[in-house]
Amino acid sequence: SAVISQKPSRDICQRGTSLTIQCQVDSQVTMMFWYRQQPGQSLTLIATANQGSEATYESGFVIDKFPISRPNLTFSTLTVSNMSPEDSSIYLCSVYRDLKDNEQFFGPGTRLTVL
Amino acid sequence: EDQVTQSPEALRLQEGESSSLNCSYTVSGLRGLFWYRQDPGKGPEFLFTLYSAGEEKEKERLKATLTKKESFLHITAPKPEDSATYLCAVSQSGGSYIPTFGRGTSLIVHP
Repeated sequence: SAVISQKPSRDICQRGTSLTIQCQVDSQVTMMFWYRQQPGQSLTLIATANQGSEATYESGFVIDKFPISRPNLTFSTLTVSNMSPEDSSIYLCSVYRDLKDNEQFFGPGTRLTVL
Repeated sequence: EDQVTQSPEALRLQEGESSSLNCSYTVSGLRGLFWYRQDPGKGPEFLFTLYSAGEEKEKERLKATLTKKESFLHITAPKPEDSATYLCAVSQSGGSYIPTFGRGTSLIVHP
């Protein structure tokens, strides 16, 4: 299994500010994924982060709002910019150890509350 | 239209009371169907992958089955430690391998 850590585990932020979430994996992986999990909603993919290239964003998510960095094969950050209460959610990073086995590993999540 | 629909949204069982969770899906071609368990304050934990109708997989008190339209997660003689949210996800063949998740079923097992 892959061990994934996220920082911070939770935060309470003011409207209009930005928060950067860090994701660290215990081994090198090609792709890292960022998800959002809102109460009562399904897990929604925000973007896929590849090392050495720009992240690929899903419909409804844009780079200006959710800039992503992927400086190496074990680390990524997601920034939630110019936050509003609607951004209150759990943010999760995820990896596949091997795409062939379809087993997806998730970090513990970052619980964000925007006031 | 949701590709993955899970029911019920919430389920309360007494310890030892077996039941099933349902995951209905609508994709043109199924690459894989996945079950995850998520405990409060934690990320989802992988349980099973099913690839074709008729396939079954078991893990302790859990058994996952698959038909062409739905999957069931059967819980036999559940214990309080089985309390969690169970997520279903499907990946469509011929497209992105990234799965689409359902909203989950919240299971509470009372002692």
